Amino acid sequence: KQEVTQIPAALSVPEGENLVLNCSFTDSAIYNLQWFRQDPGKGLTSLLLIQSSQREQTSGRLNASLDKSSGRSTLYIAASQPGDSATYLCAVRPRNTDKLIFGTGTRLQVFP
Amino acid sequence: KAGVTQTPRYLIKTRGQQVTLSCSPISGHRSVSWYQQTPGQGLQFLFEYFSETQRNKGNFPGRFSGRQFSNSRSEMNVSTLELGDSALYLCASRNGGEDTQYFGPGTRLTVL
Repeated sequence: KQEVTQIPAALSVPEGENLVLNCSFTDSAIYNLQWFRQDPGKGLTSLLLIQSSQREQTSGRLNASLDKSSGRSTLYIAASQPGDSATYLCAVRPRNTDKLIFGTGTRLQVFP
Repeated sequence: KAGVTQTPRYLIKTRGQQVTLSCSPISGHRSVSWYQQTPGQGLQFLFEYFSETQRNKGNFPGRFSGRQFSNSRSEMNVSTLELGDSALYLCASRNGGEDTQYFGPGTRLTVL
């Protein structure tokens, strides 16, 4: 059974710091991995998607890496800003299904 | 292009009642999935539909049911509501030609 874990559960940093959020999964037989952002009480916004054959994806100040063999992904946020404050969720998609298995999230607070 | 829309955004029901939630996917998207989000269990998969067919179902009791119409709009129904059904219900849609899943803003259900 696939299990997804995110560390740390919460993080509070000053503005300008570079951050690394971690995601680990137990079954390497995944189709892809997606990182989302969720603001309080809102839906999920897709940030980055990495296919199982890829090693990393970048979008602006965000970079996500994937090491399928070790069951790990990291989300790197450069030069953090208060507007980055949100909960970040990673989700793995097994093969042959649209079902996503989510981690428990990392709640990030960036203070001025 | 409009995003995923969910109606209603907020619902208050009492135990024993039933409820129907609606999800309209992004135009052209034929795949719709539903998730339940609670503080204790996080995001959990409910159902996945493609072209009016349920392709996958999560580990929820039979009180939770869903369907998809020919225009790809989807509904989920919860009968005999329990206090533990209070949650944010999210739906996501996907275009067959890409892998990113796009989430709606959710329906906040409160069961009293």
